[in-house]
Amino acid sequence: DQQVKQNSPSLSVQEGRISILNCDYTNSMFDYFLWYKKYPAEGPTFLISISSIKDKNEDGRFTVFLNKSAKHLSLHIVPSQPGDSAVYFCAANYGGATNKLIFGTGTLLAVQP
Amino acid sequence: DAGVTQSPTHLIKTRGQHVTLRCSPISGHKSVSWYQQVLGQGPQFIFQYYEKEERGRGNFPDRFSARQFPNYSSELNVNALLLGDSALYLCASSQRGSGSWETQYFGPGTRLLVL
Repeated sequence: DQQVKQNSPSLSVQEGRISILNCDYTNSMFDYFLWYKKYPAEGPTFLISISSIKDKNEDGRFTVFLNKSAKHLSLHIVPSQPGDSAVYFCAANYGGATNKLIFGTGTLLAVQP
Repeated sequence: DAGVTQSPTHLIKTRGQHVTLRCSPISGHKSVSWYQQVLGQGPQFIFQYYEKEERGRGNFPDRFSARQFPNYSSELNVNALLLGDSALYLCASSQRGSGSWETQYFGPGTRLLVL
Protein backbone atom coordinates (compact mmCIF):
# COMPACT_ATOMS: atom_id res chain seq x y z
CA ASP A 1 0.00 0.00 0.00
CA GLN A 2 1.26 3.42 -0.97
CA GLN A 3 1.03 5.59 2.15
CA VAL A 4 2.45 8.66 0.41
CA LYS A 5 1.23 9.46 -3.09
CA GLN A 6 2.32 11.92 -5.70
CA ASN A 7 -0.27 11.54 -8.41
CA SER A 8 1.35 13.80 -10.99
CA PRO A 9 4.39 12.11 -12.55
CA SER A 10 5.38 15.32 -14.31
CA LEU A 11 4.70 19.05 -14.41
CA SER A 12 5.80 21.70 -16.90
CA VAL A 13 5.88 25.39 -15.93
CA GLN A 14 7.13 28.59 -17.56
CA GLU A 15 10.04 30.40 -15.97
CA GLY A 16 8.86 33.07 -13.52
CA ARG A 17 5.49 31.40 -12.91
CA ILE A 18 4.39 29.41 -9.86
CA SER A 19 5.04 25.66 -9.62
CA ILE A 20 2.68 23.68 -7.39
CA LEU A 21 3.58 20.10 -6.51
CA ASN A 22 1.06 17.99 -4.64
CA CYS A 23 1.28 15.08 -2.23
CA ASP A 24 -1.38 13.01 -0.46
CA TYR A 25 -0.94 10.65 2.47
CA THR A 26 -3.08 8.06 4.18
CA ASN A 27 -1.49 7.53 7.60
CA SER A 28 -2.80 10.02 10.16
CA MET A 29 0.13 9.14 12.46
CA PHE A 30 2.58 10.99 10.23
CA ASP A 31 3.75 14.10 12.06
CA TYR A 32 6.58 15.45 9.92
CA PHE A 33 6.70 16.01 6.19
CA LEU A 34 9.66 16.81 4.00
CA TRP A 35 10.32 17.76 0.39
CA TYR A 36 13.48 16.65 -1.37
CA LYS A 37 14.78 17.63 -4.78
CA LYS A 38 16.75 15.16 -6.85
CA TYR A 39 18.88 15.66 -9.95
CA PRO A 40 19.87 12.61 -12.04
CA ALA A 41 22.86 10.69 -10.65
CA GLU A 42 22.72 12.61 -7.35
CA GLY A 43 21.22 11.93 -3.94
CA PRO A 44 18.07 13.74 -2.77
CA THR A 45 18.69 17.25 -1.44
CA PHE A 46 16.57 18.45 1.47
CA LEU A 47 14.43 21.47 0.55
CA ILE A 48 11.89 22.26 3.22
CA SER A 49 9.85 20.54 5.91
CA ILE A 50 6.74 21.06 7.99
CA SER A 51 5.58 19.57 11.26
CA SER A 52 2.00 18.51 11.84
CA ILE A 53 1.39 21.37 14.27
CA LYS A 54 1.78 23.93 11.48
CA ASP A 55 -0.13 24.55 8.28
CA LYS A 56 2.49 26.58 6.44
CA ASN A 57 6.26 26.90 6.33
CA GLU A 58 8.17 29.27 4.10
CA ASP A 59 11.82 29.41 3.05
CA GLY A 60 12.68 31.90 0.34
CA ARG A 61 10.98 30.88 -2.90
CA PHE A 62 9.67 27.66 -1.36
CA THR A 63 6.50 27.33 0.70
CA VAL A 64 4.93 24.12 1.95
CA PHE A 65 1.26 23.96 2.94
CA LEU A 66 -0.25 21.19 5.06
CA ASN A 67 -3.96 20.39 5.19
CA LYS A 68 -4.30 17.69 7.85
CA SER A 69 -8.02 17.19 7.47
CA ALA A 70 -7.53 16.41 3.78
CA LYS A 71 -4.23 14.58 4.39
CA HIS A 72 -2.70 16.72 1.69
CA LEU A 73 0.40 18.84 1.35
CA SER A 74 1.74 20.98 -1.44
CA LEU A 75 5.00 22.66 -2.35
CA HIS A 76 4.85 26.07 -4.01
CA ILE A 77 7.87 27.46 -5.85
CA VAL A 78 7.65 31.16 -6.75
CA PRO A 79 9.10 32.30 -9.07
CA SER A 80 10.14 29.11 -10.83
CA GLN A 81 13.61 29.04 -12.37
CA PRO A 82 15.13 26.67 -14.96
CA GLY A 83 17.52 25.38 -12.27
CA ASP A 84 14.49 24.11 -10.36
CA SER A 85 14.01 21.42 -13.02
CA ALA A 86 14.41 18.13 -11.15
CA VAL A 87 12.41 15.32 -9.57
CA TYR A 88 10.67 16.36 -6.34
CA PHE A 89 9.91 13.77 -3.66
CA CYS A 90 7.48 14.17 -0.81
CA ALA A 91 8.36 12.15 2.32
CA ALA A 92 6.65 11.55 5.65
CA ASN A 93 7.77 10.40 9.08
CA TYR A 94 5.98 9.48 12.27
CA GLY A 95 8.88 9.82 14.64
CA GLY A 96 9.14 7.42 17.52
CA ALA A 97 12.04 5.04 17.89
CA THR A 98 12.73 4.71 14.18
CA ASN A 99 13.36 7.67 11.93
CA LYS A 100 11.96 5.95 8.84
CA LEU A 101 10.95 8.11 5.88
CA ILE A 102 8.13 7.00 3.60
CA PHE A 103 8.54 8.50 0.13
CA GLY A 104 6.17 9.22 -2.70
CA THR A 105 7.06 8.24 -6.27
CA GLY A 106 8.18 11.73 -7.24
CA THR A 107 7.12 14.46 -9.66
CA LEU A 108 9.38 15.56 -12.49
CA LEU A 109 9.29 19.36 -12.74
CA ALA A 110 10.40 21.00 -15.98
CA VAL A 111 10.75 24.77 -15.93
CA GLN A 112 10.78 26.16 -19.46
CA PRO A 113 12.88 29.29 -20.13
CA ASP B 1 31.26 21.21 6.17
CA ALA B 2 31.38 17.87 4.41
CA GLY B 3 28.06 16.25 3.69
CA VAL B 4 27.26 12.57 3.68
CA THR B 5 29.79 10.63 1.63
CA GLN B 6 29.36 7.23 0.02
CA SER B 7 31.68 4.83 -1.74
CA PRO B 8 31.98 3.54 -4.34
CA THR B 9 29.94 5.73 -6.68
CA HIS B 10 29.31 2.92 -9.15
CA LEU B 11 29.62 -0.83 -8.98
CA ILE B 12 29.00 -3.71 -11.37
CA LYS B 13 28.55 -7.22 -9.99
CA THR B 14 27.25 -10.53 -11.27
CA ARG B 15 24.43 -12.60 -9.84
CA GLY B 16 25.37 -14.54 -6.72
CA GLN B 17 28.18 -12.20 -5.72
CA HIS B 18 28.45 -10.18 -2.54
CA VAL B 19 28.72 -6.38 -2.27
CA THR B 20 29.70 -3.93 0.49
CA LEU B 21 28.69 -0.29 0.32
CA ARG B 22 30.10 2.36 2.64
CA CYS B 23 28.80 5.58 4.13
CA SER B 24 30.21 8.36 6.31
CA PRO B 25 27.66 10.62 8.00
CA ILE B 26 27.78 14.36 8.51
CA SER B 27 30.08 15.25 11.38
CA GLY B 28 28.13 15.20 14.63
CA HIS B 29 25.38 12.96 13.29
CA LYS B 30 24.99 9.69 15.12
CA SER B 31 22.35 7.98 13.03
CA VAL B 32 22.65 6.43 9.58
CA SER B 33 19.84 5.08 7.46
CA TRP B 34 19.99 3.13 4.20
CA TYR B 35 17.50 3.35 1.35
CA GLN B 36 17.13 1.58 -1.99
CA GLN B 37 15.81 3.48 -4.98
CA VAL B 38 14.82 1.63 -8.13
CA LEU B 39 14.03 3.47 -11.33
CA GLY B 40 10.70 5.26 -11.28
CA GLN B 41 10.15 4.82 -7.54
CA GLY B 42 10.86 6.76 -4.40
CA PRO B 43 13.56 5.55 -1.99
CA GLN B 44 12.58 2.53 0.13
CA PHE B 45 13.80 2.22 3.71
CA ILE B 46 16.20 -0.67 4.38
CA PHE B 47 17.85 -0.05 7.79
CA GLN B 48 18.45 2.55 10.44
CA TYR B 49 21.35 2.49 12.88
CA TYR B 50 21.99 4.68 15.89
CA GLU B 51 25.00 4.39 18.20
CA LYS B 52 25.90 1.07 16.52
CA GLU B 53 22.53 -0.48 17.22
CA GLU B 54 19.85 -1.35 14.67
CA ARG B 55 16.83 0.85 15.26
CA GLY B 56 14.69 -0.23 12.36
CA ARG B 57 14.50 -2.58 9.42
CA GLY B 58 12.42 -2.36 6.28
CA ASN B 59 10.83 -5.13 4.27
CA PHE B 60 14.02 -6.56 2.77
CA PRO B 61 15.30 -10.16 2.82
CA ASP B 62 18.00 -11.41 5.17
CA ARG B 63 20.50 -11.15 2.32
CA PHE B 64 20.67 -7.49 3.31
CA SER B 65 22.63 -6.61 6.45
CA ALA B 66 24.34 -3.56 7.84
CA ARG B 67 26.43 -2.35 10.69
CA GLN B 68 27.61 0.91 12.20
CA PHE B 69 31.08 1.57 13.53
CA PRO B 70 32.23 3.58 16.59
CA ASN B 71 32.98 6.57 14.34
CA TYR B 72 29.32 6.39 13.15
CA SER B 73 30.23 5.33 9.61
CA SER B 74 28.26 2.42 8.24
CA GLU B 75 28.39 -0.49 5.81
CA LEU B 76 25.55 -2.10 3.89
CA ASN B 77 26.16 -5.68 2.79
CA VAL B 78 24.14 -7.60 0.25
CA ASN B 79 24.76 -11.33 -0.28
CA ALA B 80 23.76 -13.60 -3.17
CA LEU B 81 22.99 -10.69 -5.48
CA LEU B 82 19.94 -10.87 -7.72
CA LEU B 83 19.22 -8.90 -10.88
CA GLY B 84 16.48 -7.11 -8.95
CA ASP B 85 19.04 -5.67 -6.52
CA SER B 86 20.18 -3.29 -9.25
CA ALA B 87 19.36 0.14 -7.85
CA LEU B 88 20.69 3.35 -6.38
CA TYR B 89 21.59 2.79 -2.73
CA LEU B 90 21.31 5.90 -0.62
CA CYS B 91 22.70 6.62 2.79
CA ALA B 92 21.18 9.33 4.99
CA SER B 93 22.39 10.76 8.27
CA SER B 94 20.62 12.56 11.09
CA GLN B 95 21.54 13.75 14.54
CA ARG B 96 19.41 11.70 16.90
CA GLY B 97 17.80 9.10 14.72
CA SER B 98 14.58 9.14 16.66
CA GLY B 99 11.84 11.38 17.87
CA SER B 100 9.80 13.78 15.86
CA TRP B 101 10.71 16.40 13.35
CA GLU B 102 14.22 15.22 12.52
CA THR B 103 15.59 15.82 9.03
CA GLN B 104 17.67 13.25 7.21
CA TYR B 105 20.39 14.36 4.82
CA PHE B 106 21.31 12.13 1.91
CA GLY B 107 24.57 11.22 0.26
CA PRO B 108 25.08 10.99 -3.50
CA GLY B 109 24.36 7.26 -3.57
CA THR B 110 26.03 4.16 -4.96
CA ARG B 111 24.71 2.92 -8.29
CA LEU B 112 24.75 -0.90 -8.26
CA LEU B 113 24.26 -2.87 -11.45
CA VAL B 114 23.87 -6.65 -11.19
CA LEU B 115 24.42 -8.60 -14.40
